[in-house]
Amino acid sequence: AQSVTQLGSHVSVSEGALVLLRCNYSSSVPPYLFWYVQYPNQGLQLLLKYTSAATLVKGINGFEAEFKKSETSFHLTKPSAHMSDAAEYFCAVSDRGNTPLVFGKGTRLSVIA
Amino acid sequence: DAGVTQSPTHLIKTRGQHVTLRCSPISGHKSVSWYQQVLGQGPQFIFQYYEKEERGRGNFPDRFSARQFPNYSSELNVNALLLGDSALYLCASGTDFNSNQPQHFGDGTRLSIL
Repeated sequence: AQSVTQLGSHVSVSEGALVLLRCNYSSSVPPYLFWYVQYPNQGLQLLLKYTSAATLVKGINGFEAEFKKSETSFHLTKPSAHMSDAAEYFCAVSDRGNTPLVFGKGTRLSVIA
Repeated sequence: DAGVTQSPTHLIKTRGQHVTLRCSPISGHKSVSWYQQVLGQGPQFIFQYYEKEERGRGNFPDRFSARQFPNYSSELNVNALLLGDSALYLCASGTDFNSNQPQHFGDGTRLSIL
């Protein structure tokens, strides 16, 4: 069975500071990993995906994530936070791109001016 | 091109009633999945349909059912509604079943049970 653990239900950073959102996964098969962002009253928007190619994945809005098999991690980073980054972020795992996703509980990112 | 569209956007029902939620996938997508997102939690998988056949089912009671139509749109039905069914219901569409392409989500239907 697959599972995802997101460390920290709420992360607060200052505008311009580094954003680091943590995600650890468990999977019995080579995983596909995703980060989605959810703004209030909206659905999920894909930020980036790892599908067994390059371990450093670049996504939209300046976000990137690094797949570390030895640590079973897929942490999301952004060098400089912007006010518009305030949202809920979800890490998810699946065994292929179009198979059921298993989500973490989410991390709410607040950006302080 | 239009994204995944869901209707209605909001719905209020009372306990014991029945509800039908609708989803239209991205043009060319043949797979539709349904997820339930309870407030403060991550989405949980309910069903996946591909080419009008059920390809996966999550750990939900038989009160939940779904189907996919020839045009690949889908309906999620929930019978005998409980207060705990209050949630955001998300639909996601995808391409081929074995594709490495990710799913794309709609904005969801917010279901409130009184």
